[in-house]
Amino acid sequence: EPEVTQTPSHQVTQMGQEVILRCVPISNHLYFYWYRQILGQKVEFLVSFYNNEISEKSEIFDDQFSVERPDGSNFTLKIRSTKLEDSAMYFCASLRDRAGEKLFFGSGTQLSVL
Amino acid sequence: ELKVEQNPLFLSMQEGKNYTIYCNYSTTSDRLYWYRQDPGKSLESLFVLLSNGAVKQEGRLMASLDTKARLSTLHITAAVHDLSATYFCAVDSLSGTYKYIFGTGTRLKVLA
Repeated sequence: EPEVTQTPSHQVTQMGQEVILRCVPISNHLYFYWYRQILGQKVEFLVSFYNNEISEKSEIFDDQFSVERPDGSNFTLKIRSTKLEDSAMYFCASLRDRAGEKLFFGSGTQLSVL
Repeated sequence: ELKVEQNPLFLSMQEGKNYTIYCNYSTTSDRLYWYRQDPGKSLESLFVLLSNGAVKQEGRLMASLDTKARLSTLHITAAVHDLSATYFCAVDSLSGTYKYIFGTGTRLKVLA
């Protein structure tokens, strides 16, 4: 089965630093997402991306967050100035092209902000 | 705003027993998904339910959807230890971007 690939698997950073989380979605997928999961809690929607622009974002996705698809294959999430409460597992997901298709999730990046 | 609730949040059960996990959601949707998550791992798709009355079965797990009641169930038959995991339902918000809203999760522990 095709896979969504995320790197790195773990990222440790100091508060106030910028981090970039990387994802390679499945090649023929058109919709891309970032979700996060604080340890032991539910999976929360951050942002969806389609046709090279953000299509929807949650309240969590404030000005400190940004997404890019710079080269047609990678999909990145940048956090400009990390806070302690940004510590979480971040999942990238992609969807082919229509309703009813399941989201494919990557293996996640565990971000720890110290 | 779509809200998705699951119960129970925690479930400890003996091997061989049956149990049901419930997923309620607050606004109209006819697309619901069940995922499994093992500790520290990603989300594995279990079932895709796309219409009222849909029922899917895989091994000891069976999922159903009642869109009128805004309720989905995940039934476990004769549980085995390997089913220990956290189970999430997720509902398509019908927002046009096909984003899912996840339930609170049910942490299942099957005791030998």
